[in-house]
Amino acid sequence: GAVVSQHPSWVICKSGTSVKIECRSLDFQATTMFWYRQFPKQSLMLMATSNEGSKATYEQGVEKDKFLINHASLTLSTLTVTSAHPEDSSFYICSAILSRDRGEAFFGQGTRLTVV
Amino acid sequence: DQQVKQNSPSLSVQEGRISILNCDYTNSMFDYFLWYKKYPAEGPTFLISISSIKDKNEDGRFTVFLNKSAKHLSLHIVPSQPGDSAVYFCAARGNAGNMLTFGGGTRLMVKP
Repeated sequence: GAVVSQHPSWVICKSGTSVKIECRSLDFQATTMFWYRQFPKQSLMLMATSNEGSKATYEQGVEKDKFLINHASLTLSTLTVTSAHPEDSSFYICSAILSRDRGEAFFGQGTRLTVV
Repeated sequence: DQQVKQNSPSLSVQEGRISILNCDYTNSMFDYFLWYKKYPAEGPTFLISISSIKDKNEDGRFTVFLNKSAKHLSLHIVPSQPGDSAVYFCAARGNAGNMLTFGGGTRLMVKP
């Protein structure tokens, strides 16, 4: 299947700092990528849809200024958690789809963010 | 309002037997359904999918059944293996856009 690579796999940062997470589609071009967040023992919650060359579409309740998404190329989307706080500690996962005809989304490995 | 629900948070099955994971949805506009397997601290791995125009899709040990009238789908794993132990998420896609809505997940434990 298609490969989506996410980096870093884990990061620890201090409160008030910003953290950037990268999501790359390695063997295909992804015009659309998705960012999810997972709290312990809970489901994956969609945060935003990242569209190449345009602004991301955020889900209700997700702060645009806090979670900055940039999709500058067909193979790279980034999520920047700005002014991180301990409550931002979570597992963040990106995904991309090959095409609408092939509906399965391929996921990155996830990033465990811990804000101390 | 949860549009995709997995009502069983956990399931325990003996090795070699069948595992049946269930998923219910409320949005009749969903046109594509998927099952993912997830290990802790890893991204979900795609298992199998089914279009809303079908009622069954089979791939090796995995079969997904879709009952549109009941808005219900299920994943059958047979025979179950200890390596199948993981959290399984069902997901659904609307007929416009590509985002997926996930159920809460079911933790499957296959005992040797």
